[in-house]
Amino acid sequence: AQKVTQAQTEISVVEKEDVTLDCVYETRDTTYYLFWYKQPPSGELVFLIRRNSFDEQNEISGRYSWNFQKSTSSFNFTITASQVVDSAVYFCALSVVNAGNNRKLIWGLGTSLAVNP
Amino acid sequence: DAGITQSPRHKVTETGTPVTLRCHQTENHRYMYWYRQDPGHGLRLIHYSYGVKDTDKGEVSDGYSVSRSKTEDFLLTLESATSSQTSVYFCAISDKGTTGGELFFGEGSRLTVL
Repeated sequence: AQKVTQAQTEISVVEKEDVTLDCVYETRDTTYYLFWYKQPPSGELVFLIRRNSFDEQNEISGRYSWNFQKSTSSFNFTITASQVVDSAVYFCALSVVNAGNNRKLIWGLGTSLAVNP
Repeated sequence: DAGITQSPRHKVTETGTPVTLRCHQTENHRYMYWYRQDPGHGLRLIHYSYGVKDTDKGEVSDGYSVSRSKTEDFLLTLESATSSQTSVYFCAISDKGTTGGELFFGEGSRLTVL
């Protein structure tokens, strides 16, 4: 099976807390891509990051960091010192090759993060 | 921000009526996608296009058709809308669809079928 699991449906934190959003994936592909997207209350979906399966380096962008571990098939997302503006639904997605040799995205169901003042 | 506009942004219609949603891009990206988003189901791919006049079905294509006569426009048509098609529809574009490129999304079109 090829799938993405975001086990945390909802998370609520107080501003300035650190929070980690979990993403676990399954795939038989050796070449694949992982993504995180953010959907704030306004509704649009915003691309955050893409990693390919050959690059396990962790990435940091300001208060955001991503931990990619192939050994545990996880691509977790950490927000340091969370802010109210981080309140959103966050989606993890996996790009794999389908039967027609085209790539397709498999989406997790999202984690709703509420950052309270 | 990627230049993607969806129209209409909101629409209420009645069961059995035809509906067309339009996605227009100014980025000249090759790949275009239509998704629907529903609670408990996340994002599901309806149809996608990998070039002018080249389209293919996604995982929930029944009841929908698409057309792409120009690079910049991708139309999604519900020939006879049903209440189960009440949803938020997102258009997305990518310049590297087959190599795992990121998607850029429009603002969404909220469709209510009564």
